[in-house]
Amino acid sequence: AQTVTQSQPEMSVQEAETVTLSCTYDTSESNYYLFWYKQPPSRQMILVIRQEAYKQQNATENRFSVNFQKAAKSFSLKISDSQLGDTAMYFCAYVTSGSRLTFGEGTQLTVNP
Amino acid sequence: EPEVTQTPSHQVTQMGQEVILRCVPISNHLYFYWYRQILGQKVEFLVSFYNNEISEKSEIFDDQFSVERPDGSNFTLKIRSTKLEDSAMYFCASSSTSGNPDTQYFGPGTRLTVL
Repeated sequence: AQTVTQSQPEMSVQEAETVTLSCTYDTSESNYYLFWYKQPPSRQMILVIRQEAYKQQNATENRFSVNFQKAAKSFSLKISDSQLGDTAMYFCAYVTSGSRLTFGEGTQLTVNP
Repeated sequence: EPEVTQTPSHQVTQMGQEVILRCVPISNHLYFYWYRQILGQKVEFLVSFYNNEISEKSEIFDDQFSVERPDGSNFTLKIRSTKLEDSAMYFCASSSTSGNPDTQYFGPGTRLTVL
């Protein structure tokens, strides 16, 4: 079974600092994508970043970057220069060909002024 | 930028009533999904839909649920006889391909409250 584990239910960071959210996953598939979604209090699901498993280079999107360790099945999200608007629940998720997204339990991130 | 839209944003219904949640996926997408999120819990897959039929469904998607693409733009989720435990946020998502993994883009969600 495909599983996604986020071991940090809550995290906090000071504004302008850097924070890393952890995610591990379990799969026997070789072709898959990994995602981080952000869910602010409005509860909308917003795509933050995507990583294709076949790519060795870690994905980056402005202040967001990932550390993808395929052999270890680890996919962490680093947020640099944290902003108050980054306060949200963050979900790690996994998908294979044409199938469902499998989500982790989420990490509630609070950015403090 | 194209986006997935959902209506209504909030639906309140009495237990036992039927509800229909509506979604308009991104126009050139071919794969459609429904997910739900009970308050405080993770997002759970309900069903995926391609070429006018269900391609995959979860154990949650029992006989009280159905999906339909009634025209070229809408994608609906019907809950026939709502239960208290159906109260949740329901998200529609769409993606453009299936031969390879692809990004699923989510709508803003419909908050369903069953009284």
